[in-house]
Amino acid sequence: ETGVTQTPRHLVMGMTNKKSLKCEQHLGHNAMYWYKQSAKKPLELMFVYSLEERVENNSVPSRFSPECPNSSHLFLHLHTLQPEDSALYLCASSQDLGQGVDIQYFGAGTRLSVL
Amino acid sequence: KQEVTQIPAALSVPEGENLVLNCSFTDSAIYNLQWFRQDPGKGLTSLLLIQSSQREQTSGRLNASLDKSSGRSTLYIAASQPGDSATYLCAAILTGGGNKLTFGTGTQLKVEL
Repeated sequence: ETGVTQTPRHLVMGMTNKKSLKCEQHLGHNAMYWYKQSAKKPLELMFVYSLEERVENNSVPSRFSPECPNSSHLFLHLHTLQPEDSALYLCASSQDLGQGVDIQYFGAGTRLSVL
Repeated sequence: KQEVTQIPAALSVPEGENLVLNCSFTDSAIYNLQWFRQDPGKGLTSLLLIQSSQREQTSGRLNASLDKSSGRSTLYIAASQPGDSATYLCAAILTGGGNKLTFGTGTQLKVEL
């Protein structure tokens, strides 16, 4: 158990649905991240939040909308997704954004299938 | 743009064998390099972190080395066990890149009885 919890673990949705992924960290960290892991591809960083402010948006389509209401919670709101968005979505947190010194702790991920 | 490559993509070895996983990166201006383990259906667990000023790090049966000049890192696993079966990912942080990790595609390891 890493202290980062993601729900749901599995999600199947149609292209017209709206759903949300939730991430909660119990580590007292100030920074949180969303990553996408597609088959045969490296993990891709999507968004970074520090103290509830978005500090990085890695050219992610607007059909993915992150929300960080407080430093312990991070959401990824999904709408009008495409089949190619099917992937494992991983959340991570770190104490801060100190370059290379703040180890990121990952949740178990949400396996998303878009039909 | 930093690219991280891991070879081989998959590896199967008998229990007890010593093995080496390889990671190469294109931009030598890295701040540090990390090795992670990912079990099926689970997230990533950090194994070792090597700062750019270091040459290697050890934890138990694991030893990671870093050679910035050649753009390579290796993860050495001694006396492999079936419990070591997992996907191993390396990730680099560039100098000036904040805390942003650039990942390789991973090596899927299977240790057989």
